[in-house]
Amino acid sequence: GQSLEQPSEVTAVEGAIVQINCTYQTSGFYGLSWYQQHDGGAPTFLSYNALDGLEETGRFSSFLSRSDSYGYLLLQELQMKDSASYFCAVRDGDSGYALNFGKGTSLLVTP
Amino acid sequence: SAVISQKPSRDICQRGTSLTIQCQVDSQVTMMFWYRQQPGQSLTLIATANQGSEATYESGFVIDKFPISRPNLTFSTLTVSNMSPEDSSIYLCSVEDGGSSSYNEQFFGPGTRLTVL
Repeated sequence: GQSLEQPSEVTAVEGAIVQINCTYQTSGFYGLSWYQQHDGGAPTFLSYNALDGLEETGRFSSFLSRSDSYGYLLLQELQMKDSASYFCAVRDGDSGYALNFGKGTSLLVTP
Repeated sequence: SAVISQKPSRDICQRGTSLTIQCQVDSQVTMMFWYRQQPGQSLTLIATANQGSEATYESGFVIDKFPISRPNLTFSTLTVSNMSPEDSSIYLCSVEDGGSSSYNEQFFGPGTRLTVL
């Protein structure tokens, strides 16, 4: 089976940096993805890591360590609009490679 | 990127009735997925729907309760049958776009918010 653990809530100040961690257990690993979801909206893709290391996309970066079954999403120069839920997800090879999501981290950015 | 629409966007239904949710994609896709998301919770995969074959259901979900059709490469339906208040949730369809720059990116429809009284 698969399981993913991430913090349930994080609060940070506008302009700050926040890191959302994700640890996973999976029988077959096909990469770690991150999705953002605003209240009432659909999840949208942020980043994907298949290999160890850091991937940077603008203000967002994602890191993966396969040996530690661990990854994180780093959000820099936080803006109020970054307040949302963030999900890490792994692919389930037994389910047509559908995404299996963590429980999500609710990020609140305060002034 | 794939653009996905769902109908209805929301509905309020009576216990014991059924609702069919439609998912339309603007391009041909092989894999379509149906998820359920209860308010404030994560997304749970219901089933994977491939064109031309029976849907594959996850543990805890059965075809009699959630029949799925996939008549072509751009369309799918999910029916929530014999509804109870526990079925109140947001139902999302999702596709993997083989033409996207990132193989592992999935796109989600806007969701159908279902309330069962």
